[in-house]
Amino acid sequence: KAGVTQTPRYLIKTRGQQVTLSCSPISGHRSVSWYQQTPGQGLQFLFEYFSETQRNKGNFPGRFSGRQFSNSRSEMNVSTLELGDSALYLCASSSSGEYGYTFGSGTRLTVV
Amino acid sequence: AQTVTQSQPEMSVQEAETVTLSCTYDTSESDYYLFWYKQPPSRQMILVIRQEAYKQQNATENRFSVNFQKAAKSFSLKISDSQLGDAAMYFCAYRSSNTGNQFYFGTGTSLTVIP
Repeated sequence: KAGVTQTPRYLIKTRGQQVTLSCSPISGHRSVSWYQQTPGQGLQFLFEYFSETQRNKGNFPGRFSGRQFSNSRSEMNVSTLELGDSALYLCASSSSGEYGYTFGSGTRLTVV
Repeated sequence: AQTVTQSQPEMSVQEAETVTLSCTYDTSESDYYLFWYKQPPSRQMILVIRQEAYKQQNATENRFSVNFQKAAKSFSLKISDSQLGDAAMYFCAYRSSNTGNQFYFGTGTSLTVIP
């Protein structure tokens, strides 16, 4: 069974640009969540999508957005990038959160 | 919002020895789930063990076990017979039964295994 796939693995962008990250969950998993991981703030919840609907949203500015497609694949978008957006972005999928997430390997975003 | 605290930023253990990682959490809920995740240098977070709050019995997974003290809101992870492959960041996580799949993570404990 394929795991959670995140693309790309690494990304370098310039301040002010926008970026789109992709996540393909485990087949059959309808819930996809996104986290930002930084050395200073740790793992912070961005949002969760379930059956194409945003079910939860963390405390991030509106520059951070996401969506989920009918095949459960998800994308997150960050517009007007800032240096502080440099982080590891982790995607996680689950069939039922009671049993925990399965995480992808993350996308390392560097904003210069 | 729930908070999860890991008070040990770094820990070390001799190979084959036992180590315990601490985690406390703050919640007013009675029904929730707790997890320990491992993040090796490869970056992928791996589920180590989970515990349902309504179960009094402590969860075990091979060399990994937890000491769940619900009244004290404590959830420590014990690693027995430590192996070099156990070296990683370990994160404690909380999931409410009421708020979908939003997990709250602690700040992590970096575990070093000394040969």
